[in-house]
Amino acid sequence: GESVGLHLPTLSVQEGDNSIINCAYSNSASDYFIWYKQESGKGPQFIIDIRSNMDKRQGQRVTVLLNKTVKHLSLQIAATQPGDSAVYFCAENEGTGGGNKLTFGTGTQLKVEL
Amino acid sequence: DTAVSQTPKYLVTQMGNDKSIKCEQNLGHDTMYWYKQDSKKFLKIMFSYNNKELIINETVPNRFSPKSPDKAHLNLHINSLELGDSAVYFCASSLRPTSGSETQYFGPGTRLLVL
Repeated sequence: GESVGLHLPTLSVQEGDNSIINCAYSNSASDYFIWYKQESGKGPQFIIDIRSNMDKRQGQRVTVLLNKTVKHLSLQIAATQPGDSAVYFCAENEGTGGGNKLTFGTGTQLKVEL
Repeated sequence: DTAVSQTPKYLVTQMGNDKSIKCEQNLGHDTMYWYKQDSKKFLKIMFSYNNKELIINETVPNRFSPKSPDKAHLNLHINSLELGDSAVYFCASSLRPTSGSETQYFGPGTRLLVL
């Protein structure tokens, strides 16, 4: 079956550096992509989203890039802080025909070193 | 105010028992979901209800039965609990799939341990 996957299970960065978390997806029918942050003991928290008709979207300290040609998604976090330490998930939405079903990637653990 | 809330937060029970998990959202959303997160952090959708109607039913044992008394509540009842049911169960909600605003907001999770 089709799936969403991440290249790096664990990413360690120094405080203040930029972080890049990557995600590969395989369902060409997906038209909406979301990044979630999950801190220990908590539920996934929405960070940023992007639709398939865009290739870049910026939020506060975060940027999502979408490359539909190679089916690749990335999350960039600027000036990474200790509070950014968490597991990050990309998720793809197959659209209204799929009932708004989200398929999650396997997650990347981001560790911020002081 | 908690947007999506779940009870209980922790649930420890014996194999073979029947248990329920409750979820409530105060966001005014039409659609609610149940997800299961295993020990490797993999999140997978189980069910989705839109305005009390079941719209997504993944390959889930029929021991799991969702119930939506109204669009602000989605409960999950599990019969004859098995060891493999141990996981964290997350409830989520969103506006309806055709709204153009599909962002799903998650609850804090229910940690189920079957002994």
